[in-house]
Amino acid sequence: AQTVTQSQPEMSVQEAETVTLSCTYDTSESDYYLFWYKQPPSRQMILVIRQEAYKQQNATENRFSVNFQKAAKSFSLKISDSQLGDAAMYFCAYRRNTGNQFYFGTGTSLTVIP
Amino acid sequence: GAVVSQHPSRVICKSGTSVKIECRSLDFQATTMFWYRQFPKKSLMLMATSNEGSKATYEQGVEKDKFLINHASLTLSTLTVTSAHPEDSSFYICSARVGVFGNTIYFGEGSWLTVV
Repeated sequence: AQTVTQSQPEMSVQEAETVTLSCTYDTSESDYYLFWYKQPPSRQMILVIRQEAYKQQNATENRFSVNFQKAAKSFSLKISDSQLGDAAMYFCAYRRNTGNQFYFGTGTSLTVIP
Repeated sequence: GAVVSQHPSRVICKSGTSVKIECRSLDFQATTMFWYRQFPKKSLMLMATSNEGSKATYEQGVEKDKFLINHASLTLSTLTVTSAHPEDSSFYICSARVGVFGNTIYFGEGSWLTVV
């Protein structure tokens, strides 16, 4: 079974600083997808970034980047130049290539301090 | 704007009654939709996979007679919570896969259910 672990229930960062959110996962599959989703107070799930496991290059989306370590089964999210609007719950998620169900971590609540 | 719409966004029902939540893909066909449940300050837990024109596949521990899922068209899946109890109060989110073999999945805005 796939499990996704986020070991940081809460994190805080000063505005304009950089923060890294951790995620590890367990799978026996070789082909899969990893995601970071943001869930603000509105509860809408917003895709932040996505990584295909077969790609060695780390995904980047503007201020968001990941450090994907396939052998270590680690998938951390780095948020640079943090903004107040980045404050939210962040979920790491795994999805098999042959399926479409997401397996979510327990989430990290990010606070951005002005 | 949202490409997957859920309705209602909030609903309060009396214990023992049934309530239906709709999940619609707005500008694409979704042969597969997924229903998740999220408890306060907790993660999303997959409840079931809804396939158009066939029976839903439920995750272990989810009562299929209590959480009825119908996916009668390519753009609509419904979740009916039957004989609701206060412990069914939760946030329910659906997601929809684009097309038959698509790799893109969108989430709905979620529905708050409170059973009193």
